[in-house]
Amino acid sequence: GAVVSQHPSRVICKSGTSVKIECRSLDFQATTMFWYRQFPKQSLMLMATSNEGSKATYEQGVEKDKFLINHASLTLSTLTVTSAHPEDSSFYICSARRDRGLEQYFGPGTRLTVT
Amino acid sequence: GENVEQHPSTLSVQEGDSAVIKCTYSDSASNYFPWYKQELGKGPQLIIDIRSNVGEKKDQRIAVTLNKTAKHFSLHITETQPEDSAVYFCAASLGVNTGNQFYFGTGTSLTVIP
Repeated sequence: GAVVSQHPSRVICKSGTSVKIECRSLDFQATTMFWYRQFPKQSLMLMATSNEGSKATYEQGVEKDKFLINHASLTLSTLTVTSAHPEDSSFYICSARRDRGLEQYFGPGTRLTVT
Repeated sequence: GENVEQHPSTLSVQEGDSAVIKCTYSDSASNYFPWYKQELGKGPQLIIDIRSNVGEKKDQRIAVTLNKTAKHFSLHITETQPEDSAVYFCAASLGVNTGNQFYFGTGTSLTVIP
């Protein structure tokens, strides 16, 4: 149990376009989902926390208008990178947490390349 | 906020030997400490965790120890195998007090030499 999927696994887009990444909890209901960004050989950087049915909480320095997060159901959260630029190229990973659970289960990640 | 430090950043061991990775945390209110294994190009996988009311936990070749007084916890891998080669991250959490946010260490790249 506790499987989290992400789609797509890889995406290449042109500068100025928007990209949507989906995060799904496949076999449990996730009251909270987290979005992370990871640069090569570095740790995970929390971007935002989203709770089902409410607005996401963004970490300091993360532009909420650029990284739109929607957590519309207990099994799906989406991250939309708007007007992407090459500096947005990175590995984006989501995680999900059950209600009253401490564990976070991570998705396989999405490699975004902006040309 | 919480600050987690992890050492060493790289570790090479011979197959069959043990590997130990250590983490320290700053906030004594942290109460949950997971360890993740991340293979290249993949998401982190939870391998073991420990809560603050427990001093040690073991799962086959993997064990975690927690010293609340000293505010440090360690991952122990015995009888290492080449497939244990990966980057390992520790994390600390204050639970609901911070929205269940995890504070991650900087990672340890483990290489098991056949």
